[in-house]
Amino acid sequence: EVQLVQSGAEVKKPGESLKISCKGSGYSFTSYWIGWVRQMPGKGLEWMGIIYPGDSDTRYSPSFQGQVTISADKSISTAYLQWSSLKASDTAMYYCVTTGYCSGGSCNHSPFDYWGQGTLVTVSS
Amino acid sequence: EIVMTQSPATLSVSPGERATLSCRASQSVSSNLAWYQQKPGQAPRLLIYGASTRATGIPARFSGSGSGTEFTLTISSLQSEDFAVYYCQQYNNWPLLFTFGPGTKVDIK
Repeated sequence: EVQLVQSGAEVKKPGESLKISCKGSGYSFTSYWIGWVRQMPGKGLEWMGIIYPGDSDTRYSPSFQGQVTISADKSISTAYLQWSSLKASDTAMYYCVTTGYCSGGSCNHSPFDYWGQGTLVTVSS
Repeated sequence: EIVMTQSPATLSVSPGERATLSCRASQSVSSNLAWYQQKPGQAPRLLIYGASTRATGIPARFSGSGSGTEFTLTISSLQSEDFAVYYCQQYNNWPLLFTFGPGTKVDIK
């Protein structure tokens, strides 16, 4: 069974840095791309970016390029989303997701098949 | 940029009734369209992909249709557990761009 388990809720001050994690299990970690989705309080879903853990190929939404960094460590089946300087507007729930099953050098074009439970990030002075 | 719109914003339906939700893309996304359900306090879950294929474990009362720019999610007979927010998403430019619609809230009439 595919599972994505995210790190716990965080409370930070503006200007602080943060790195949240998403650990995959129940599948070959390098068989899927992993993405991140933001949901601000009471709002809809926004795609932030995705990474292929096999070679760390990373794609960002234009809205989030330069604002966050996505990385992955395939040795421990974990993907990360990090900020160097948080703002109050980064307060949101963040979900990791799987997409694009890959095999034999090609990947299926797919939506977000599996979702983590979410990590709530609160940024407040 | 592909813009996704959904209508209506809120749909009030009685249990047992049929619900029809619409999603429109600003340009053709072929059949690369998914639907998600999100209940309060929960992560979204995938319902439909490829515009009309139900994801694993999704009941047959959920069906999707459409291609190009116009899509529909139909819930044939609403159950109590179906009251939620539904989002459409295009993934036609995978892996470069994924766009969600603003959502339709289905609540109890």
